Amino acid sequence: DAKTTQPTSMDCAEGRAANLPCNHSTISGNEYVYWYRQIHSQGPQYIIHGLKNNETNEMASLIITEDRKSSTLILPHATLRDTAVYYCIVRVEYNFNKFYFGSGTKLNVKP
Amino acid sequence: DSGVTQTPKHLITATGQRVTLRCSPRSGDLSVYWYQQSLDQGLQFLIQYYNGEERAKGNILERFSAQQFPDLHSELNLSSLELGDSALYFCASSETGSVMNTEAFFGQGTRLTVV
Repeated sequence: DAKTTQPTSMDCAEGRAANLPCNHSTISGNEYVYWYRQIHSQGPQYIIHGLKNNETNEMASLIITEDRKSSTLILPHATLRDTAVYYCIVRVEYNFNKFYFGSGTKLNVKP
Repeated sequence: DSGVTQTPKHLITATGQRVTLRCSPRSGDLSVYWYQQSLDQGLQFLIQYYNGEERAKGNILERFSAQQFPDLHSELNLSSLELGDSALYFCASSETGSVMNTEAFFGQGTRLTVV
């Protein structure tokens, strides 16, 4: 499975959009991009996933570049409760057991 | 609430001891995954069970073992505990073991402290 590269940490002002980048330059055609987050030692929480097209749900939007080598998770109106470590993961469709969480990005939402 | 229940939430034990961590998956989920998260490491996949059978193994030590019972709950057994086994242990469940787009739902974890 392809590995991902994320910034170690980012700051965002409360109420503003948080844009979290992820590079996955070796992603292959059958690999999906997943985003999870972990709020201070709680269990990781699923956010969103996608293959090629941009995706949006009630939590976030996922923008995947046309060449699929990078993606951006967008939290449209960040709140203090969005402070967490965000993990970008790529996985082959049938290999959830090989989720590689990496170090993630620590998002600090500030008042 | 993810629907995945882990017990106990906290566990303190001495080196050399054996403990059992329990996980009840979401209703209807057949797959259970165990992860370890140490302070200095990310989430490490340990083992997966699907409908009672071992499906995949990750970086699980020989001192650790797991099983999934007919009612689909799972237990992770950790024996001959060492200080380095202190960590958060997470259980996750998913509907199946091999269907694309399947999400996994994580429990709140068991914090194990070995003293």
